Amino acid sequence: DAKTTQPTSMDCAEGRAANLPCNHSTISGNEYVYWYRQIHSQGPQYIIHGLKNNETNEMASLIITEDRKSSTLILPHATLRDTAVYYCILNYGGSQGNLIFGKGTKLSVKP
Amino acid sequence: EADIYQTPRYLVIGTGKKITLECSQTMGHDKMYWYQQDPGMELHLIHYSYGVNSTEKGDLSSESTVSRIRTEHFPLTLESARPSHTSQYLCASSAGGQANNEQFFGPGTRLTVL
Repeated sequence: DAKTTQPTSMDCAEGRAANLPCNHSTISGNEYVYWYRQIHSQGPQYIIHGLKNNETNEMASLIITEDRKSSTLILPHATLRDTAVYYCILNYGGSQGNLIFGKGTKLSVKP
Repeated sequence: EADIYQTPRYLVIGTGKKITLECSQTMGHDKMYWYQQDPGMELHLIHYSYGVNSTEKGDLSSESTVSRIRTEHFPLTLESARPSHTSQYLCASSAGGQANNEQFFGPGTRLTVL
Protein backbone atom coordinates (compact mmCIF):
# COMPACT_ATOMS: atom_id res chain seq x y z
CA ASP A 1 0.00 0.00 0.00
CA ALA A 2 1.10 3.55 -0.74
CA LYS A 3 2.35 5.34 2.39
CA THR A 4 1.10 8.73 1.29
CA THR A 5 -2.32 10.38 1.22
CA GLN A 6 -3.28 12.86 -1.49
CA PRO A 7 -6.56 14.50 -2.51
CA THR A 8 -8.24 12.73 -5.39
CA SER A 9 -8.56 15.83 -7.54
CA MET A 10 -7.89 19.56 -7.62
CA ASP A 11 -8.61 22.44 -9.97
CA CYS A 12 -6.37 25.42 -10.65
CA ALA A 13 -6.80 28.51 -12.81
CA GLU A 14 -4.27 28.96 -15.58
CA GLY A 15 -1.45 31.29 -14.53
CA ARG A 16 -2.08 30.78 -10.82
CA ALA A 17 0.02 28.73 -8.45
CA ALA A 18 -1.02 25.11 -7.97
CA ASN A 19 -0.37 23.78 -4.47
CA LEU A 20 -0.64 20.01 -4.20
CA PRO A 21 -0.59 18.59 -0.67
CA CYS A 22 0.66 15.20 0.46
CA ASN A 23 0.48 13.58 3.89
CA HIS A 24 3.11 11.02 4.90
CA SER A 25 2.78 10.78 8.67
CA THR A 26 4.67 7.46 8.92
CA ILE A 27 7.71 8.58 6.95
CA SER A 28 11.03 7.11 8.09
CA GLY A 29 14.09 9.19 8.77
CA ASN A 30 15.91 8.16 5.61
CA GLU A 31 12.95 8.18 3.21
CA TYR A 32 12.93 10.81 0.51
CA VAL A 33 9.77 12.48 -0.78
CA TYR A 34 9.53 12.17 -4.58
CA TRP A 35 7.00 13.75 -6.91
CA TYR A 36 6.14 12.47 -10.37
CA ARG A 37 3.39 13.36 -12.78
CA GLN A 38 1.68 11.46 -15.58
CA ILE A 39 0.12 13.36 -18.43
CA HIS A 40 -2.74 11.39 -19.97
CA SER A 41 -1.33 7.91 -20.68
CA GLN A 42 2.30 8.86 -21.16
CA GLY A 43 5.09 7.47 -19.00
CA PRO A 44 5.40 9.24 -15.62
CA GLN A 45 7.79 12.18 -15.46
CA TYR A 46 10.05 12.94 -12.49
CA ILE A 47 9.47 16.41 -11.04
CA ILE A 48 11.43 16.89 -7.82
CA HIS A 49 12.49 15.21 -4.60
CA GLY A 50 13.74 16.15 -1.14
CA LEU A 51 14.68 14.79 2.25
CA LYS A 52 14.38 17.58 4.80
CA ASN A 53 15.00 20.92 3.16
CA ASN A 54 12.79 22.73 0.72
CA GLU A 55 13.82 22.21 -2.88
CA THR A 56 13.30 24.16 -6.09
CA ASN A 57 14.04 23.40 -9.70
CA GLU A 58 12.88 24.68 -13.06
CA MET A 59 9.62 22.78 -12.82
CA ALA A 60 8.43 23.19 -9.25
CA SER A 61 9.12 23.80 -5.58
CA LEU A 62 8.83 21.24 -2.81
CA ILE A 63 8.01 22.37 0.71
CA ILE A 64 8.51 19.75 3.44
CA THR A 65 7.25 20.47 6.96
CA GLU A 66 9.76 20.45 9.77
CA ASP A 67 8.37 17.20 11.21
CA ARG A 68 8.43 15.73 7.66
CA LYS A 69 4.90 14.39 8.02
CA SER A 70 3.58 16.35 5.07
CA SER A 71 4.75 18.19 2.00
CA THR A 72 3.43 20.47 -0.73
CA LEU A 73 4.38 20.56 -4.38
CA ILE A 74 4.06 24.04 -5.86
CA LEU A 75 3.75 24.76 -9.55
CA PRO A 76 4.25 28.54 -9.50
CA HIS A 77 2.41 29.44 -12.72
CA ALA A 78 0.24 26.57 -13.85
CA THR A 79 -0.43 26.15 -17.56
CA LEU A 80 -2.93 23.96 -19.38
CA ARG A 81 -0.09 21.53 -20.11
CA ASP A 82 0.31 20.93 -16.37
CA THR A 83 -2.99 19.05 -16.32
CA ALA A 84 -1.96 15.59 -15.16
CA VAL A 85 -2.04 13.09 -12.30
CA TYR A 86 0.55 14.00 -9.67
CA TYR A 87 2.05 11.29 -7.48
CA CYS A 88 3.74 11.82 -4.12
CA ILE A 89 5.95 8.81 -3.31
CA LEU A 90 8.30 7.90 -0.46
CA ASN A 91 11.52 6.24 -1.50
CA TYR A 92 14.61 5.03 0.36
CA GLY A 93 16.78 5.07 -2.71
CA GLY A 94 19.77 2.79 -3.06
CA SER A 95 18.97 -0.91 -2.82
CA GLN A 96 15.40 -0.23 -1.67
CA GLY A 97 14.59 2.13 -4.48
CA ASN A 98 11.37 0.68 -5.84
CA LEU A 99 8.51 3.14 -6.24
CA ILE A 100 4.98 2.42 -5.03
CA PHE A 101 2.51 4.51 -6.99
CA GLY A 102 -0.79 5.34 -5.33
CA LYS A 103 -3.78 6.97 -6.99
CA GLY A 104 -2.26 10.46 -6.99
CA THR A 105 -4.04 13.79 -7.43
CA LYS A 106 -5.71 14.62 -10.71
CA LEU A 107 -4.87 18.29 -11.31
CA SER A 108 -7.04 20.10 -13.85
CA VAL A 109 -5.75 23.49 -14.98
CA LYS A 110 -8.61 25.55 -16.39
CA PRO A 111 -8.46 28.60 -18.68
CA GLU B 1 15.08 14.31 -22.10
CA ALA B 2 15.71 10.78 -20.90
CA ASP B 3 17.03 8.27 -23.40
CA ILE B 4 14.80 5.28 -22.81
CA TYR B 5 12.97 3.60 -25.64
CA GLN B 6 10.18 1.09 -25.95
CA THR B 7 9.02 -0.83 -28.98
CA PRO B 8 6.48 -1.41 -30.25
CA ARG B 9 4.37 1.53 -29.08
CA TYR B 10 1.16 -0.30 -29.95
CA LEU B 11 0.57 -4.02 -30.46
CA VAL B 12 -2.63 -5.88 -31.30
CA ILE B 13 -2.21 -9.64 -31.27
CA GLY B 14 -4.25 -12.81 -31.08
CA THR B 15 -4.58 -15.14 -28.11
CA GLY B 16 -1.81 -17.70 -27.71
CA LYS B 17 0.91 -15.74 -29.49
CA LYS B 18 4.33 -15.23 -27.96
CA ILE B 19 5.34 -11.60 -27.70
CA THR B 20 8.38 -9.66 -26.56
CA LEU B 21 8.22 -6.02 -25.54
CA GLU B 22 11.52 -4.25 -25.98
CA CYS B 23 13.04 -1.66 -23.65
CA SER B 24 16.42 -0.02 -24.07
CA GLN B 25 18.21 2.83 -22.33
CA THR B 26 21.41 4.64 -23.24
CA MET B 27 22.10 6.23 -19.86
CA GLY B 28 24.14 3.36 -18.44
CA HIS B 29 21.65 2.88 -15.61
CA ASP B 30 22.03 -0.27 -13.56
CA LYS B 31 18.40 -0.39 -12.43
CA MET B 32 15.51 -1.09 -14.77
CA TYR B 33 11.82 -1.68 -14.13
CA TRP B 34 8.63 -2.85 -15.79
CA TYR B 35 5.26 -1.48 -14.71
CA GLN B 36 1.75 -2.44 -15.81
CA GLN B 37 -1.07 0.08 -15.93
CA ASP B 38 -4.68 -0.48 -16.91
CA PRO B 39 -6.59 2.57 -18.23
CA GLY B 40 -7.37 5.02 -15.45
CA MET B 41 -5.74 2.82 -12.85
CA GLU B 42 -2.54 2.87 -10.80
CA LEU B 43 0.87 1.75 -11.99
CA HIS B 44 2.00 -1.58 -10.58
CA LEU B 45 5.58 -2.85 -10.57
CA ILE B 46 5.80 -6.30 -12.18
CA HIS B 47 9.55 -6.81 -12.66
CA TYR B 48 12.81 -5.10 -11.81
CA SER B 49 16.52 -5.58 -12.24
CA TYR B 50 19.43 -4.12 -10.32
CA GLY B 51 22.01 -5.11 -12.92
CA VAL B 52 23.08 -7.67 -15.50
CA ASN B 53 21.84 -11.19 -14.73
CA SER B 54 19.67 -9.84 -11.90
CA THR B 55 15.87 -9.98 -12.15
CA GLU B 56 13.18 -9.90 -9.49
CA LYS B 57 9.40 -10.02 -9.44
CA GLY B 58 7.57 -6.89 -8.42
CA ASP B 59 4.55 -6.25 -6.26
CA LEU B 60 1.99 -7.37 -8.83
CA SER B 61 2.08 -10.98 -9.94
CA SER B 62 2.57 -11.31 -13.69
CA GLU B 63 2.79 -14.22 -16.11
CA SER B 64 5.44 -12.36 -18.05
CA THR B 65 9.17 -13.01 -17.77
CA VAL B 66 12.16 -10.71 -18.18
CA SER B 67 15.87 -11.02 -18.87
CA ARG B 68 18.86 -8.73 -18.35
CA ILE B 69 21.80 -9.92 -20.42
CA ARG B 70 23.05 -6.44 -21.24
CA THR B 71 22.93 -3.30 -19.09
CA GLU B 72 21.02 -1.31 -21.67
CA HIS B 73 18.40 -3.90 -22.60
CA PHE B 74 15.49 -5.26 -20.50
CA PRO B 75 12.95 -7.14 -22.64
CA LEU B 76 9.66 -8.50 -21.32
CA THR B 77 8.18 -11.69 -22.78
CA LEU B 78 4.73 -13.26 -22.68
CA GLU B 79 4.90 -16.88 -23.84
CA SER B 80 1.20 -17.14 -24.58
CA ALA B 81 -0.75 -13.90 -24.69
CA ARG B 82 -4.30 -13.80 -23.32
CA PRO B 83 -6.97 -11.07 -23.30
CA SER B 84 -6.27 -10.54 -19.57
CA HIS B 85 -2.81 -9.30 -20.57
CA THR B 86 -4.33 -6.33 -22.36
CA SER B 87 -2.80 -3.28 -20.69
CA GLN B 88 -0.14 -0.61 -20.99
CA TYR B 89 3.41 -1.69 -20.13
CA LEU B 90 5.86 0.97 -19.02
CA CYS B 91 9.61 0.54 -18.73
CA ALA B 92 11.84 2.72 -16.54
CA SER B 93 15.46 3.01 -15.48
CA SER B 94 17.39 4.74 -12.72
CA ALA B 95 20.95 5.25 -11.60
CA GLY B 96 19.83 4.08 -8.20
CA GLY B 97 21.89 6.29 -5.95
CA GLN B 98 20.92 6.86 -2.34
CA ALA B 99 20.09 10.52 -2.79
CA ASN B 100 19.21 10.60 -6.46
CA ASN B 101 17.03 7.70 -7.45
CA GLU B 102 14.70 9.32 -9.95
CA GLN B 103 13.29 6.92 -12.48
CA PHE B 104 13.08 7.80 -16.16
CA PHE B 105 10.16 6.27 -18.01
CA GLY B 106 9.76 5.21 -21.59
CA PRO B 107 6.66 6.08 -23.65
CA GLY B 108 5.02 2.72 -22.98
CA THR B 109 3.67 -0.15 -25.06
CA ARG B 110 -0.08 -0.43 -25.33
CA LEU B 111 -0.90 -4.13 -25.74
CA THR B 112 -4.26 -5.47 -26.88
CA VAL B 113 -4.81 -9.22 -26.97
CA LEU B 114 -7.85 -10.34 -28.91
